[in-house]
Amino acid sequence: DAGVIQSPRHEVTEMGQEVTLRCKPISGHNSLFWYRQTMMRGLELLIYFNNNVPIDDSGMPEDRFSAKMPNASFSTLKIQPSEPRDSAVYFCASRDRGNTEAFFGQGTRLTVV
Amino acid sequence: DAKTTQPTSMDCAEGRAANLPCNHSTISGNEYVYWYRQIHSQGPQYIIHGLKNNETNEMASLIITEDRKSSTLILPHATLRDTAVYYCIGPMNRDDKIIFGKGTRLHILP
Repeated sequence: DAGVIQSPRHEVTEMGQEVTLRCKPISGHNSLFWYRQTMMRGLELLIYFNNNVPIDDSGMPEDRFSAKMPNASFSTLKIQPSEPRDSAVYFCASRDRGNTEAFFGQGTRLTVV
Repeated sequence: DAKTTQPTSMDCAEGRAANLPCNHSTISGNEYVYWYRQIHSQGPQYIIHGLKNNETNEMASLIITEDRKSSTLILPHATLRDTAVYYCIGPMNRDDKIIFGKGTRLHILP
């Protein structure tokens, strides 16, 4: 397996534009996590899914952020409209049922100017 | 919020054992402690986890105190590639969400 795949690796966008980050979890994994990492706030859990259903979205900062998991092999994190303070590295991770180890993607570095 | 306490940073000489402590005094029942690390510009990587017994794998050893309120991650022969931020996570059940604290920044010195 190629691991957790995130795209794009880098994104530069202008304030006010819509941004969509994509994640392909490891095949067979039933849990998916989205994180945001900044120097100031560290690694923050935004949302996590079990069996494609959002279980906890308490970390989603505001209504501008939304996440979907239409099937077991794909998830998106959308920011609309984007703001400069959304600039961060966004990580996706997946985990197998009954397993303890979560696997992380390489991240998407988002810059909003 | 993270429920563990770790030192902010530590240094270790290359080739020596790196011992990273973690306090998790609220641990109870069947809650586990997990360790991940994050090398610069990469996603976090799982290292090891434990419940009550000491654990060892190809990457590290985990020593858990008898009262389970603290643990130590041991990298037996640290190399420069072990320079990273090490996160002690938990206590948590196996299917819980994974919450990261600030971790310990480990510097391996040549």
